[in-house]
Amino acid sequence: AQSVAQPEDQVNVAEGNPLTVKCTYSVSGNPYLFWYVQYPNRGLQFLLKYITGDNLVKGSYGFEAEFNKSQTSFHLKKPSALVSDSALYFCAVRDRSYGQNFVFGPGTRLSVLP
Amino acid sequence: GAVVSQHPSRVICKSGTSVKIECRSLDFQATTMFWYRQFPKQSLMLMATSNEGSKATYEQGVEKDKFLINHASLTLSTLTVTSAHPEDSSFYICSGGRGQDSNQPQHFGDGTRLSIL
Repeated sequence: AQSVAQPEDQVNVAEGNPLTVKCTYSVSGNPYLFWYVQYPNRGLQFLLKYITGDNLVKGSYGFEAEFNKSQTSFHLKKPSALVSDSALYFCAVRDRSYGQNFVFGPGTRLSVLP
Repeated sequence: GAVVSQHPSRVICKSGTSVKIECRSLDFQATTMFWYRQFPKQSLMLMATSNEGSKATYEQGVEKDKFLINHASLTLSTLTVTSAHPEDSSFYICSGGRGQDSNQPQHFGDGTRLSIL
């Protein structure tokens, strides 16, 4: 079975500081990993994905994530946070052999303080 | 990037009413679309997988007679909440992806907030 954990419900960071939103996963096979962001009363917007290759993945709006197979983690990072980054962030996993169904983490609310 | 249009964005109606939500892929063909339900401050819960030209696949615990899904074309899937009651009030989101490759991201509609009085 697939599962995704985001251990922090809430992350607070000052504007201009680096941010990290944590994600760990569990799949039976090799994973495809995704990060999405959700603004209030909106659907999810795709940020980035890890499929294969370089463990450091760069995505939209200056975000990046590092795939760590030994720690089964895929933490989202940004070197310098903006107030406009404040939103709800979801990590998602697909098992490569399980088709298209996503499993989402519980979400982490990021607040960037001015 | 790929665009998924979901309509309406908000519905307020009386108990017992049936409500139809549309999900359209505007610039790609989606053989499969997904319907999710999201409760306040919670993650997305997959309700069903909508397959073009065939019956939807429902997740355990989701009443298929309550939540009717139709996927009659490659660009349109609809979710009808039949005889809605206050406990059906929620945020419903659809998604679709290009092709069948599981390495492709899903593209999400902006969601429909359903409020049953």
